[in-house]
Amino acid sequence: DIHMTQSPSSLSTYVGDRVTITCRASENIGRHLNWYQQRPGQAPKLLIYGASSLQIGVPSRFSGSGFGTEFTLIIASLRPEDSATYYCQQSYGALTWTFGQGTKVEVK
Amino acid sequence: EVQLVESGGGLVQPGWSLRLPCTASAFSFSNYWMTWVRQAPGKGLEWVANIKQDSSEKYYADSVKGRFTISRDNAVNSLYLQMNSLRAEDTAVYYCARIFYYENGVYPAIDYWGQGVLVTVSS
Repeated sequence: DIHMTQSPSSLSTYVGDRVTITCRASENIGRHLNWYQQRPGQAPKLLIYGASSLQIGVPSRFSGSGFGTEFTLIIASLRPEDSATYYCQQSYGALTWTFGQGTKVEVK
Repeated sequence: EVQLVESGGGLVQPGWSLRLPCTASAFSFSNYWMTWVRQAPGKGLEWVANIKQDSSEKYYADSVKGRFTISRDNAVNSLYLQMNSLRAEDTAVYYCARIFYYENGVYPAIDYWGQGVLVTVSS
């Protein structure tokens, strides 16, 4: 099975700051990497698919990059409503998927 | 607006069975792969199972293989998760969700989620 590792597991920073979250896959997954945001008490929401494509309706301050085993989610200028947990997910091969363990973002 | 509504959750004892239905609306259900994802209390997301449009392909996480069965009935726009031999570690909110294939079918991702249903396994 493909294992996904996110870092950091949590972070706390200020409105307007740039936030970078990293996701590493245990093997090459090409661009089969998605990012989700989950606010407390809500279902997850798709932010990025195919490693770097922004889902319709998602603010442009969110961006994704990477290929193979190393991926990054960037929030260019943090807003209060970005307080949430962010998950990467691989969707490569045989349709057996895995999520990263999540990164909790707190906006001070 | 696309809607996915799960039901059937509740408190069950270890070893018991439970079936979760999910009713879909406002999209052509029979045209989409579907999935179940769960989240234990205070924990992260865990993928459970996927099913193809015509039920010809099904995939499971190792943690549920042999105990859980995903199925669908396209005639009534419904997805199901049959859970047998339940364990305490199966306690979670279970989400029914739709899979969309982006970029001409190359990149699958979960584009719509239900609100989830809580299953508690405890004696």
